[in-house]
Parts: sequence; structure tokens; C-alpha cells
Amino acid sequence: SQQGEEDPQALSIQEGENATMNCSYKTSINNLQWYRQNSGRGLVHLILIRSNEREKHSGRLRVTLDTSKKSSSLLITASRAADTASYFCATDAWAAGNKLTFGGGTRVLVKP
Amino acid sequence: GAGVSQSPSNKVTEKGKDVELRCDPISGHTALYWYRQRLGQGLEFLIYFQGNSAPDKSGLPSDRFSAERTGESVSTLTIQRTQQEDSAVYLCASSSATGGIVNEQFFGPGTRLTVL
Repeated sequence: SQQGEEDPQALSIQEGENATMNCSYKTSINNLQWYRQNSGRGLVHLILIRSNEREKHSGRLRVTLDTSKKSSSLLITASRAADTASYFCATDAWAAGNKLTFGGGTRVLVKP
Repeated sequence: GAGVSQSPSNKVTEKGKDVELRCDPISGHTALYWYRQRLGQGLEFLIYFQGNSAPDKSGLPSDRFSAERTGESVSTLTIQRTQQEDSAVYLCASSSATGGIVNEQFFGPGTRLTVL
């Protein structure tokens, strides 16, 4: 079973709006990462947040982590058509070694 | 090269044939991962190589799947006696992760495998 589960599965917004997606996981983690995938090909790393961090920013991206709720959120502000992609969270944990466990992803469509 | 490369980009094969997929990681990256992604789904971990340590093969779905890595360079994923359910995109990633510290993974463009 997947460690991370994204919510919603799909999201459609207008350009300029904010997009928020959530990731929940089951077991304690070391780190949580968010990746973007365009056109079903290679993934691009967005942000890594460690278990002792609560919030991180990178450009128009804001990631939060709540370890008590075992959840994370990714916020994309002022979205652009180029943000259209699938977004995945991935976790790593001591029990799983150095490998990442990916969720099923959120498909985001930004309409111009 | 500047990034992770994979070949071939597309592979169409007949059921029962063997296929080999290749991954060239970023130079200097000690960690290399293989994932499988079925259409519209998330990534499924297959196997992980870290330096000269024994690989973590816990994600391989059956004994038809195997992978090799030469030192800290090229890796080959082999699928024997392919089945239609093996059809997917196979993604390779590399990372500089060492000593239990996890860093970001850099992904290749993937190989789209279609088994007829």
C-alpha cells in the first residue's frame, strides 16, 4: 500500500488562482518531498522538508508539514498554465531505508 | 552528461520476450533507483542501489525482474518473459544520498514499455 496519499486526485483552476493539494501518510517519516511530473515522464524535484521543519518556501511554492497529523500540503500561488502537471509527495522513513514511497499524485489543470 | 538518461525511450515487445532497459545516472551519484509507473498512477519502487552495498530488491514484483549496476555507473533493468501487465513507464533516478541522509532524486525521462 502507498505511504503517501494525495488529495484531491484532480484539481482544475483558473490562471492566477492558488492551488492547494494535500498529502497524508501512515508511519513516522524522516523527510517528505514534493515532485512535479509533466506528460507522464520524468519527475522534477520541487521541495524537501525534513521532519523537524514545519514550513518551507520556494518561489511561488509553500509546503507545510504537520507530523502530528501525518500530513503535508503544497500551495502554488498565482498559478500559471505552465503549472499544469501531476504533483506527487514522497516520504522516506528509517524502516524503509533510503528509498522513497510515492503517493498516487494530484493532477492539476491550470486553465488560461 | 548533465542529467539522468535512459534508453530506449520507447520499447514495444511481444509477450514472452525479454527486454533490457538502461539507465545512465548523474556522474558521482552513489544511489540509483528504479520505479515503475502504470498509466495514471503513482510511482512503484522496484530496486535501489547504494554504492557497493547489496541492492534493496524489495520492490521487484516477481523473479522475472532483475537489475544490475556496474560500480557507481550504468544500471540495467531486465524483464524476462514479459507479460502484458508489465506495460508501464519505467523510471530511473539517481541521488547523492549517502550515510542514511536522503536528498532529492533526479529522474530520467523514462522508458515506455508496451507488451503486446
